[in-house]
Amino acid sequence: GAGVSQSPSNKVTEKGKDVELRCDPISGHTALYWYRQSLGQGLEFLIYFQGNSAPDKSGLPSDRFSAERTGGSVSTLTIQRTQQEDSAVYLCASSLGTSGRARADTQYFGPGTRLTVL
Amino acid sequence: KQEVTQIPAALSVPEGENLVLNCSFTDSAIYNLQWFRQDPGKGLTSLLLIQSSQREQTSGRLNASLDKSSGRSTLYIAASQPGDSATYLCAGRQGGSEKLVFGKGTKLTVNP
Repeated sequence: GAGVSQSPSNKVTEKGKDVELRCDPISGHTALYWYRQSLGQGLEFLIYFQGNSAPDKSGLPSDRFSAERTGGSVSTLTIQRTQQEDSAVYLCASSLGTSGRARADTQYFGPGTRLTVL
Repeated sequence: KQEVTQIPAALSVPEGENLVLNCSFTDSAIYNLQWFRQDPGKGLTSLLLIQSSQREQTSGRLNASLDKSSGRSTLYIAASQPGDSATYLCAGRQGGSEKLVFGKGTKLTVNP
């Protein structure tokens, strides 16, 4: 079936502008994750959604970052007043959900959105 | 706080060689450990996931092991091929947390 999709694939913006990044998870996956991959920093967790539970926002680097997930499916990551240090590849992943079984726990990643803040 | 380390950062081998990629983690209370490959400009592809109750998982030419007591995981690649060239990332998930903590990866080059 279709994998995780993200849009846009590339986004160039000016410092101070707001951006929205979109993620479409695999159909039927209840868990959705956002990560950020910066040069030299590796992959960092940003936020996690599971069903109708309150999201785990513990990885968001500042209050300029927010995310929502509508209808338990599509998610949007919003960055307000972008800064140059926000430049990175933003990756979305989804999984069937936590059950202690490998197939359910495995996270499947999208191709990412490369954000460049000038 | 869990920290994941991968050594070496880069590895170059001739085609056909068997190789081992290393991953170490600081907190043994790990729930599962996942290995991924990342091709340039692409997202991550899941290779293997090992639950904390397991010691190894196999898929084709790949075998991943987990030793919680020593805080180590290895990814064994048999009979390497140029198509195996990619960056390999390991990531651990702690009990009680949903997030993955990633190492910085090992960039593998298999030379024909």
